[in-house]
Amino acid sequence: SQQGEEDPQALSIQEGENATMNCSYKTSINNLQWYRQNSGRGLVHLILIRSNEREKHSGRLRVTLDTSKKSSSLLITASRAADTASYFCATDAGGYQKVTFGTGTKLQVIP
Amino acid sequence: DVKVTQSSRYLVKRTGEKVFLECVQDMDHENMFWYRQDPGLGLRLIYFSYDVKMKEKGDIPEGYSVSREKKERFSLILESASTNQTSMYLCASSPPGRRGDTQYFGPGTRLTVL
Repeated sequence: SQQGEEDPQALSIQEGENATMNCSYKTSINNLQWYRQNSGRGLVHLILIRSNEREKHSGRLRVTLDTSKKSSSLLITASRAADTASYFCATDAGGYQKVTFGTGTKLQVIP
Repeated sequence: DVKVTQSSRYLVKRTGEKVFLECVQDMDHENMFWYRQDPGLGLRLIYFSYDVKMKEKGDIPEGYSVSREKKERFSLILESASTNQTSMYLCASSPPGRRGDTQYFGPGTRLTVL
């Protein structure tokens, strides 16, 4: 079963605006990761947040984690056309080195 | 720079054919994974390997097998391809250590079974 579920499924914004996408999960986790996938390509790791962390930044990315609500959000500030991609959250769902990916949020940034 | 390569970007096969998808990583990673990605279903784990000659079933292993004879290479085998195996296949690797750590992905192989 899916551990992470992203919301919304699709998001369309103008360049320069902020984009927020959310991930909810079902069971306790050790960490949560966000990945980006450009159309027809492999996934690229963006950021990892551990269960004892509440917020993490990397460049224009800000990730929050609320373990009491079993949810995380990814904020991309000052979006660019090059941010157009699908974004996935991934949680460690138990088992050696396994993670479970959600179904993704498809972001379109309009120039 | 980290690199995971997959043998083909696009592959077209016929029903019943035996299909080999190859994945090679140059990071000396112990862990390697095979996923398939389908619209609306996200990534689903087929098999993974945490050492040479070791393999573990993922969530959807039926119809697939794997081979890991060398540390850098992890092969996915479709013994008798079927149309429902048409999908995007993604290989990934990760270092040992903490559970659920960063995975590095290859570019993917889009397989079509006719």
